[in-house]
Amino acid sequence: EDKVVQSPLSLVVHEGDTVTLNCSYEVTNFRSLLWYKQEKKAPTFLFMLTSSGIEKKSGRLSSILDKKELFSILNITATQTGDSAVYLCAAGSTDSWGKLQFGAGTQVVVTP
Amino acid sequence: DTEVTQTPKHLVMGMTNKKSLKCEQHMGHRAMYWYKQKAKKPPELMFVYSYEKLSINESVPSRFSPECPNSSLLNLHLHALQPEDSALYLCASSQDGGRIRPNYGYTFGSGTRLTVV
Repeated sequence: EDKVVQSPLSLVVHEGDTVTLNCSYEVTNFRSLLWYKQEKKAPTFLFMLTSSGIEKKSGRLSSILDKKELFSILNITATQTGDSAVYLCAAGSTDSWGKLQFGAGTQVVVTP
Repeated sequence: DTEVTQTPKHLVMGMTNKKSLKCEQHMGHRAMYWYKQKAKKPPELMFVYSYEKLSINESVPSRFSPECPNSSLLNLHLHALQPEDSALYLCASSQDGGRIRPNYGYTFGSGTRLTVV
């Protein structure tokens, strides 16, 4: 059965800290790993990774995928209170017609 | 237009009611999805429509009935729901169902918060 596991489940940091979120996956015919940020309602797309070892960056956020060890990390540097959210990772496979298997999410709280 | 629009934003319904959730996108995406999300849980897939045809039904009870009238619209018809069906219902779309294009990912709507009383 396909599985996506995120860690930690939650963390509290101070503004300016760096956080690293982990996502491991076991997905048959893996195609892609996606990261989302969810505040109150809809998950907001952050990154999609398909190739191993290539870092994707957007401002203070970056992510990398290791297809050999079956994990991805999401880094947030110089955190701000607006980064407080649940961060979801999801894995898609080649034979799933677009189905995404989500992890349970990591709740990040950034305190002033 | 890079949005997925869902209506209504909130819905309270009784167990004998019939209601519908609506989802609309004008990004030319050919795959659309319904997800259900309970509090503090990740989204769980319910249905996938690809090119207006139902591709995946994740063993969802028949009290949930999806409909895709055209490539821009997706409905979820609700009938005889139970209190445990109360959740956030998310619609999403992607370029096509067989693959998700880089830099686009999958776009989610803001959801309908459903309460069954």
